[in-house]
Amino acid sequence: DTGVSQNPRHKITKRGQNVTFRCDPISEHNRLYWYRQTLGQGPEFLTYFQNEAQLEKSRLLSDRFSAERPKGSFSTLEIQRTEQGDSAMYLCASSPLFNEQFFGPGTRLTVL
Amino acid sequence: GENVEQHPSTLSVQEGDSAVIKCTYSDSASNYFPWYKQELGKGPQLIIDIRSNVGEKKDQRIAVTLNKTAKHFSLHITETQPEDSAVYFCAARGGSGGGADGLTFGKGTHLIIQP
Repeated sequence: DTGVSQNPRHKITKRGQNVTFRCDPISEHNRLYWYRQTLGQGPEFLTYFQNEAQLEKSRLLSDRFSAERPKGSFSTLEIQRTEQGDSAMYLCASSPLFNEQFFGPGTRLTVL
Repeated sequence: GENVEQHPSTLSVQEGDSAVIKCTYSDSASNYFPWYKQELGKGPQLIIDIRSNVGEKKDQRIAVTLNKTAKHFSLHITETQPEDSAVYFCAARGGSGGGADGLTFGKGTHLIIQP
């Protein structure tokens, strides 16, 4: 299967801890996106990369969130000092330039 | 920024009947409108999309229509089957608001196919 992969699939952490998620996009897709989805809602855009450059950040991406895509391939999303309100599904998507976005299975974060 | 409204939130239809889900968007600069199907515990799956220079697009039992003047677009599923049961999301991209390449999603429609 050459789709978008995300790890871990589930993460449970205590409030105040740091967590990091990884996304591996479809190979040769140069755009990579992060979204957050809470229960009963549609995904909300957080940020995206074209190759290794982070081109856009949503207002939802607070200072505790940081994303990287160091070599233009996989990406990581880190949340520092987690809060209960950070509990959500974190989705990654990739696309060729200006085309369809294909989503991974997501990482479900639970902050206790 | 862009705002996408989706209706209904829940839709129950008999197997074999048609289902229609409607969305409206606020930013006239938006130019790309995908539809996603999401099953429990999975990521959204792209099922069909339409660009602003096209009024209608079909793919087997699924069709999407776009009315740029009214700023609304709809998903039509014909001959519904039990495996069509899922949550469907509409989205829009390309508006002049923040996240120029990020998608703005509706809140979803839970489609239930009654056997």
